[in-house]
Amino acid sequence: GQSLEQPSEVTAVEGAIVQINCTYQTSGFYGLSWYQQHDGGAPTFLSYNGLDGLEETGRFSSFLSRSDSYGYLLLQELQMKDSASYFCAPISSGSARQLTFGSGTQLTVLP
Amino acid sequence: DADVTQTPRNRITKTGKRIMLECSQTKGHDRMYWYRQDPGLGLRLIYYSFDVKDINKGEISDGYSVSRQAQAKFSLSLESAIPNQTALYFCATSAPTSGSPGELFFGEGSRLTVL
Repeated sequence: GQSLEQPSEVTAVEGAIVQINCTYQTSGFYGLSWYQQHDGGAPTFLSYNGLDGLEETGRFSSFLSRSDSYGYLLLQELQMKDSASYFCAPISSGSARQLTFGSGTQLTVLP
Repeated sequence: DADVTQTPRNRITKTGKRIMLECSQTKGHDRMYWYRQDPGLGLRLIYYSFDVKDINKGEISDGYSVSRQAQAKFSLSLESAIPNQTALYFCATSAPTSGSPGELFFGEGSRLTVL
């Protein structure tokens, strides 16, 4: 079967660092993606981890541990514009390479 | 102009009506998807297509049908809309062989309300 867990809400202040955790159970796991979505907007791709370890893209980093079925998104130097929902999306293997989206984590950045 | 364009952006209709949501893309991607988003439930896959002749059901295809008219166009139809199909619908494209395997490109969404 498949399951996906991430916190529903996280609050932090401007300039801080926040980590959003994701645990998954995915048949034929291939990799893990992260997406950002502002209220009413389209989801936008942030990062992809196919291998264990840390991927860094500017202020955002994403980590994957296949053996623990765990990943996280790290946001540094938080800005007000980072207030959004963040989704982890495990990808299944096979030709379909389907992404499964969880319910997301609502991040609120306070001044 | 947006690379993935959805029309209409907003639609209010009545129970039992037929509705079509259209998606067109200029990215040249073979793969196209339709997702539904309900508050608190994230995105759920309705249908996906890997090319014009390859269409597949997602996890919540009941009550929906699709048509891939061309590589660039993928339409979602609700043959007889019902209130619990009220949601935000997203079209997406991908090209996993040329880009990141986990990267989807989403349209701006179509908000559908069924009364």
